[in-house]
Amino acid sequence: DADVTQTPRNRITKTGKRIMLECSQTKGHDRMYWYRQDPGLGLQLIYYSFDVKDINKGEISDGYSVSRQAQAKFSLSLESAIPNQTALYFCATSDPGTENTGELFFGEGSRLTVL
Amino acid sequence: DAKTTQPTSMDCAEGRAANLPCNHSTISGNEYVYWYRQIHSQGPQYIIHGLKNNETNEMASLIITEDRKSSTLILPHATLRDTAVYYCIVRAPNQGGKLIFGQGTELSVKP
Repeated sequence: DADVTQTPRNRITKTGKRIMLECSQTKGHDRMYWYRQDPGLGLQLIYYSFDVKDINKGEISDGYSVSRQAQAKFSLSLESAIPNQTALYFCATSDPGTENTGELFFGEGSRLTVL
Repeated sequence: DAKTTQPTSMDCAEGRAANLPCNHSTISGNEYVYWYRQIHSQGPQYIIHGLKNNETNEMASLIITEDRKSSTLILPHATLRDTAVYYCIVRAPNQGGKLIFGQGTELSVKP
């Protein structure tokens, strides 16, 4: 089983709908991240969390919200989806003890299409 | 964080060394150089990182110039499975693991 699991892997929805992408991890890491990737581009950081009580905005947080329900779970919500939020979304984790290695562990991605 | 510049794409013959350059001319003294790769829409995978010295692990070697303004990732014997987008990232320590990805280099390994 994957260490970082994202659900759903694929989702098609309509403009205005509320969508939640979920991420769970078995690595025991305190730090979790949500990234977005548009076709042909690199990843952009949406939100990140260093522990259950900590939530921080990334580069492109507008239109998104997150919830850190437990150390192992970090959810991304689109309250009212719009077509330009069509993208590939990645969840990642890291261990603060290895921060200088810069090593993030990524899930397999959730492909979201907003019609 | 310092900005990086990479070629958009590169080709490499299977079995040959792949040398991927990265320019980071505005790098600060405490910023590390990290390399990741992403195989066709999968989650990015950590490869290697370095500060000043050259580094080697089971996946690749990282050569950093003495002035630290550029670096090269070397895959010594490229295989078809190394076809991917390679990201060079420069980041200061104590950033909580945040990484800012650019557009990377698309490496195509050909038979």
